[in-house]
Amino acid sequence: DIQMTQSPSSLSASVGDRVTITCRASQSITTYLHWYQQKPGKAPKLLIYAASSLPRGVPSRFSGSGSGTDFTLTISSLQPEDFATYYCQQSYSSPLTFGGGTKVEIK
Amino acid sequence: EVQLVQSGAEVKKPGESLKISCKGSGYTFSRHWIGWVRQMPGRGLEWMGIIYPDDSDIRYSPSFQGQVTISADKSISTAYLQWSGLKASDTAMYYCARLESLMVPYGLDVWGQGTTVTVSS
Repeated sequence: DIQMTQSPSSLSASVGDRVTITCRASQSITTYLHWYQQKPGKAPKLLIYAASSLPRGVPSRFSGSGSGTDFTLTISSLQPEDFATYYCQQSYSSPLTFGGGTKVEIK
Repeated sequence: EVQLVQSGAEVKKPGESLKISCKGSGYTFSRHWIGWVRQMPGRGLEWMGIIYPDDSDIRYSPSFQGQVTISADKSISTAYLQWSGLKASDTAMYYCARLESLMVPYGLDVWGQGTTVTVSS
């Protein structure tokens, strides 16, 4: 199985801050890397697919980068509605695996 | 509107069997993979497995192989997740989600609302 390691596991930030979350795969997954946002009591929502593509309707303050084994999710200016938990996931090979999650909290 | 609608919350006793469902609408159900994801209370997302309804190709996560059964009935656009002998440790929220293809880097773009399963004596 491909292991996905996210860091940090949690962070505190203020509205307007730039936030960066990293995800590392245990082997190359090219760009088969996706990011999800989950708010309490809700299903996850696809935020970024193929490492850097935004689905329709996702605000442009979210961006993703990386290929191979190292990936980054960036929120350019944190908004109140962005406080949530973020997960990376690889779909390069089965089983599709998730990172452990990063909880973004209000400072 | 493309959506996945899951069956309602379940409360079961250890050893009982259970089958939960995930019904797709607004798209060609048989031509997209459906994956199942577990989330235990206060924990992260865990991948359980995936099925292609058109031919019932199933890929289980090794962690869940033999513990659950994934199936689908394309005639009614519904996927299923079932247990034959529940344990307290199966208490969790279970999500289904759609994946367009395993051959291109698309993510899980549509999610069900989740089904809460509680196993307690």
